[in-house]
Amino acid sequence: DTEVTQTPKHLVMGMTNKKSLKCEQHMGHRAMYWYKQKAKKPPELMFVYSYEKLSINESVPSRFSPECPNSSLLNLHLHALQPEDSALYLCASSPLAGVNNEQFFGPGTRLTVL
Amino acid sequence: GIQVEQSPPDLILQEGANSTLRCNFSDSVNNLQWFHQNPWGQLINLFYIPSGTKQNGRLSATTVATERYSLLYISSSQTTDSGVYFCAVEGIQGGSEKLVFGKGTKLTVNP
Repeated sequence: DTEVTQTPKHLVMGMTNKKSLKCEQHMGHRAMYWYKQKAKKPPELMFVYSYEKLSINESVPSRFSPECPNSSLLNLHLHALQPEDSALYLCASSPLAGVNNEQFFGPGTRLTVL
Repeated sequence: GIQVEQSPPDLILQEGANSTLRCNFSDSVNNLQWFHQNPWGQLINLFYIPSGTKQNGRLSATTVATERYSLLYISSSQTTDSGVYFCAVEGIQGGSEKLVFGKGTKLTVNP
């Protein structure tokens, strides 16, 4: 099963709201990723977790807060977002972090910030 | 950091036509993946191909690592092949080792 699931599919939130995005995989992968994709652009890496520990933070603003409760789950907590944060948020996983590891992506959460 | 260039940026085909998409990268890589992003945003893995040639149905890919390029071939295209095709390589960019994407090739297949 090469499936990564994400919920919700769509999210509309105001700038004062707090919401969370959820990602799950059951492939036994030990690396999980959050990407952000703006319209007509390629995905850009935000965070990498390796063995449930944050290993890369691509200088993402603190209004985005990742969490990895266990090896199968990855959350992205959102607070006080700006309209420019509206984008497609993609989660991915791979057997390990780093080289020679194929990444598998979830279907994404399309976020709109009003 | 590593640079990834894809060509052409846009491609319009009639159903049944064949096409070749190209990905050039600026440094040696250990990981190269081709993805198809459908109109709903899902990134679908097509090939994991750091070197050599692979085939899957109407699609095939070749990576020549020593010359730093990869090609994706689509034969007998169908309307469902429409979408954006991304090449991504594992390399150093901005001080981090990560999967770096090209800007993509937008393919439109008309009936």
